[in-house]
Amino acid sequence: DAGVIQSPRHEVTEMGQEVTLRCKPISGHNSLFWYRQTMMRGLELLIYFNNNVPIDDSGMPEDRFSAKMPNASFSTLKIQPSEPRDSAVYFCASRTGTSGYNEQFFGPGTRLTVL
Amino acid sequence: DQQVKQNSPSLSVQEGRISILNCDYTNSMFDYFLWYKKYPAEGPTFLISISSIKDKNEDGRFTVFLNKSAKHLSLHIVPSQPGDSAVYFCAASAGDSSYKLIFGSGTRLLVRP
Repeated sequence: DAGVIQSPRHEVTEMGQEVTLRCKPISGHNSLFWYRQTMMRGLELLIYFNNNVPIDDSGMPEDRFSAKMPNASFSTLKIQPSEPRDSAVYFCASRTGTSGYNEQFFGPGTRLTVL
Repeated sequence: DQQVKQNSPSLSVQEGRISILNCDYTNSMFDYFLWYKKYPAEGPTFLISISSIKDKNEDGRFTVFLNKSAKHLSLHIVPSQPGDSAVYFCAASAGDSSYKLIFGSGTRLLVRP
């Protein structure tokens, strides 16, 4: 099994540009999560999808952030316009079911640098 | 407001000895606790978990202890191996929002050969 796939692995962009991060969850997993890791705030949940439907987006910091899951095998996290404070590592994770007792499998992350 | 705290940013132990990583939490609604391990340039990987109805869970060299009255849990690694060198994150979730993991800030473990 390939695991959770994220692209790109590294992204460097200039302030004001649009950034799109991509995630392919593990096949058969019906829950998908986007996390952000920063030095200041640690690892925090941005948004949670179940069966392609956004269930909890309370962690999305601002309207500049948006996430979509058009089908069970693909999700995007978009930042428009990007700002230097968005620099962080963004992780995608997936799992089966809805129970919190089911393990979340994380992708390798995308390191975003906004200049 | 940090609901899950890992107060030791780093820990160094000798190979073969015990590693003890600690985690404190403030939310009494948390009923499930997990430990994740993270190597550089990789995502966190699940290590071990414990439900609030238990006070101990063991998996090979890894044991997690939960003290609900103190709102404290710890991860014991015995014996420690150099390959265990990584950042360890404690996480917790509450029953009604069990999908939402609240992570601690992590403890970097170095196991010296």
